[in-house]
Amino acid sequence: DAGVIQSPRHEVTEMGQEVTLRCKPISGHNSLFWYRQTMMRGLELLIYFNNNVPIDDSGMPEDRFSAKMPNASFSTLKIQPSEPRDSAVYFCASSQNTGNQPQHFGDGTRLSIL
Amino acid sequence: DQQVKQNSPSLSVQEGRISILNCDYTNSMFDYFLWYKKYPAEGPTFLISISSIKDKNEDGRFTVFLNKSAKHLSLHIVPSQPGDSAVYFCAASRSNSGYALNFGKGTSLLVTP
Repeated sequence: DAGVIQSPRHEVTEMGQEVTLRCKPISGHNSLFWYRQTMMRGLELLIYFNNNVPIDDSGMPEDRFSAKMPNASFSTLKIQPSEPRDSAVYFCASSQNTGNQPQHFGDGTRLSIL
Repeated sequence: DQQVKQNSPSLSVQEGRISILNCDYTNSMFDYFLWYKKYPAEGPTFLISISSIKDKNEDGRFTVFLNKSAKHLSLHIVPSQPGDSAVYFCAASRSNSGYALNFGKGTSLLVTP
């Protein structure tokens, strides 16, 4: 079975550029989560969706960050404009939202902003 | 503020012995706890979980213990194998938050032959 698929795996870009990270959740999962991992803060939740609707975006650091889920099989996380402090590994995870179900993670996008 | 804490950044254990990884949390509203294992350049992989209505859950070599009064959980791996060498993350969630996870910073486990 296909797991959570993230693209690109690596992204290197200059500050000020727009960055778009993509995620395809596991088919049948109706909750989707975006996390960011940094050395300083570890893994932290940015935003999550239930049935394509954003439920909690309180973890999104600034207005430069935005996330969308136009359908059940696709989500994007966009940073515009990007800054060097946005450099991190960004993970997408999905789960079924019925009871206690574990989240399944993609392999992440390693983002470097120069 | 960090609501889930893993105070040991690293742990080294000999093959065949028991590995014990510890985790503390501060939010008494957490009711679902998980352990994830992570290899370099990969995403976290779900290992085992426990609901707050239980105090122990076993799955093969892995057992998770939950002590709600102490706000503490631990993961026991018996016997430890070299392939268990990875970073282990403890995570906690509240059922009324959509199960969004709060992670500890991880413990790097090294199992030596």
